[in-house]
Amino acid sequence: EDKVVQSPLSLVVHEGDTVTLNCSYEVTNFRSLLWYKQEKKAPTFLFMLTSSGIEKKSGRLSSILDKKELSSILNITATQTGDSAIYLCAVEALTSGSRLTFGEGTQLTVNP
Amino acid sequence: KAGVTQTPRYLIKTRGQQVTLSCSPISGHRSVSWYQQTPGQGLQFLFEYFSETQRNKGNFPGRFSGRQFSNSRSEMNVSTLELGDSALYLCASSVLRGSEKLFFGSGTQLSVL
Repeated sequence: EDKVVQSPLSLVVHEGDTVTLNCSYEVTNFRSLLWYKQEKKAPTFLFMLTSSGIEKKSGRLSSILDKKELSSILNITATQTGDSAIYLCAVEALTSGSRLTFGEGTQLTVNP
Repeated sequence: KAGVTQTPRYLIKTRGQQVTLSCSPISGHRSVSWYQQTPGQGLQFLFEYFSETQRNKGNFPGRFSGRQFSNSRSEMNVSTLELGDSALYLCASSVLRGSEKLFFGSGTQLSVL
């Protein structure tokens, strides 16, 4: 059974801090790893990492996939209060269609 | 382009009742997936529909069912509601299956009393 574990589950920082969120996975026939941001209800897509694209960056957010360690990190630099959200990590297997296996998520709170 | 639309936004039901939730995917998207989100459990996959056919099913009892219509709109039904069914039910769509990012709706918050 596919499995995703995220850490920490909860994190409180001050504006301007840099944070690193972790995601480790076990999946048969890995296809991709995805990061989502959930502020209220609808998760919004951040990054998709695959064997051919192991590093992604968008503004203050960046993510790296470590295929050897079966893990990924999501970095957020110069955090802002608007970064407060639940960050979800999910993996997709080659044969799973659109079925994603999600971790519990990391609740990030950025205080002013 | 309108996003994924889920209705209703909130529902309150009592044990034993049944409920139907609706999801309209983004125009042109043919794949629709459903997820249940509860505190401490994260998002759990319920089922996936593509071209009106169920392609994948998660580990949920038979009380949970769904369908997809020819216009790609989808409904899920939960019969004989239990207290543990209280959750946020999220629908997601994509153009095709696999290797694509999913676009999520805002969900239906179901409370079972």
